[in-house]
Amino acid sequence: AQSVSQHNHHVILSEAASLELGCNYSYGGTVNLFWYVQYPGQHLQLLLKYFSGDPLVKGIKGFEAEFIKSKFSFNLRKPSVQWSDTAEYFCAVNNYGQNFVFGPGTRLSVLP
Amino acid sequence: DAMVIQNPRYQVTQFGKPVTLSCSQTLNHNVMYWYQQKSSQAPKLLFHYYDKDFNNEADTPDNFQSRRPNTSFCFLDIRSPGLGDAAMYLCATSTQGRSGGTQYFGPGTRLLVL
Repeated sequence: AQSVSQHNHHVILSEAASLELGCNYSYGGTVNLFWYVQYPGQHLQLLLKYFSGDPLVKGIKGFEAEFIKSKFSFNLRKPSVQWSDTAEYFCAVNNYGQNFVFGPGTRLSVLP
Repeated sequence: DAMVIQNPRYQVTQFGKPVTLSCSQTLNHNVMYWYQQKSSQAPKLLFHYYDKDFNNEADTPDNFQSRRPNTSFCFLDIRSPGLGDAAMYLCATSTQGRSGGTQYFGPGTRLLVL
């Protein structure tokens, strides 16, 4: 069965620092990959997704992610974080035709 | 705007008293999901409907049931809520097929069990 791991439980950064959140999945077949964000008190929102094509995917709010098939990874990046990026970030994997599997989440705290 | 709507946003119930949470969608997606999310944890899939076909996750307690009377609406019934069922319940929708794999989430209903 597919499993998803996220490298960090809690990341604390200062504003303008660069961000990279790690995500690895276990199943090597055809996958769709997602990053969702959950701001405090709000619902899950899609940041970006990868289905096929260019492995470097750009999403909303300046986020991007790179799919590296050989490493089973889909790391999320942002060159300069803002206080408003404070949220919980979830990586999710969807094997073609199967259900989503979410990672455990990474809490990002950005200090002003 | 097309969206996923959940009512109520907050629900308080008593231990053992049945409760129903509702979800509606204007996206016309054929797949609807119910997730349970506890504090600081990932959403946990309870079950989903693929059109009218109900698919229960193996570890979903019998206490949780669902109904989907039509494409737009889906209900989560908790027959006898326990204290451990206090959580955020998320509804999501998606379309069939590889290109439609994105799930769209509602705002959730936070359930408190007294």
